[in-house]
Amino acid sequence: EADIYQTPRYLVIGTGKKITLECSQTMGHDKMYWYQQDPGMELHLIHYSYGVNSTEKGDLSSESTVSRIRTEHFPLTLESARPSHTSQYLCASSEYNKGSGELFFGEGSRLTVL
Amino acid sequence: SQQGEEDPQALSIQEGENATMNCSYKTSINNLQWYRQNSGRGLVHLILIRSNEREKHSGRLRVTLDTSKKSSSLLITASRAADTASYFCATANTDKLIFGTGTRLQVFP
Repeated sequence: EADIYQTPRYLVIGTGKKITLECSQTMGHDKMYWYQQDPGMELHLIHYSYGVNSTEKGDLSSESTVSRIRTEHFPLTLESARPSHTSQYLCASSEYNKGSGELFFGEGSRLTVL
Repeated sequence: SQQGEEDPQALSIQEGENATMNCSYKTSINNLQWYRQNSGRGLVHLILIRSNEREKHSGRLRVTLDTSKKSSSLLITASRAADTASYFCATANTDKLIFGTGTRLQVFP
């Protein structure tokens, strides 16, 4: 079992609300990622980080923002949620010094915006 | 656009049969990985094959890689009902993993 945790698992909120999806890992991994998964299964990389104070945009443009103040914590924030943000959000981590190695995923946060 | 395309999109088989899933990709890669996702859960890493490898085994899993055709296959032998899940290939050519579209596998008891 991977030591990476996401909260909340499920969130239903109204349009315009600010939300933060939490992701924490206890493996000391430098690299962390956020993927957005469509209902039809495709995963899209929206943010990643090489380590503390590093954040990068992924391949899919997203209105969300991320921060990396501590190695173990990589939260994702939506300032004003909209129905188009409804999706599954998956956090992952990997050991930076192993290059493009194995990713460890959390269980996901399913967001529904009404 | 996604790096990987998988086929079939969905596959239904009986327990005991073998399941084969294919993945094609577009650019050069450092390695290719396969992941499994149970419904509503996160992804779990299954196996990694490097660009200089052609075949790799792990338990009932067999992965092949043909870099000249930019394709890979995942074979699950003697399938079980518990193998029911979605399977994704992921390609790495820099320091990011790009996932394919996935294959939904259903194994009937």
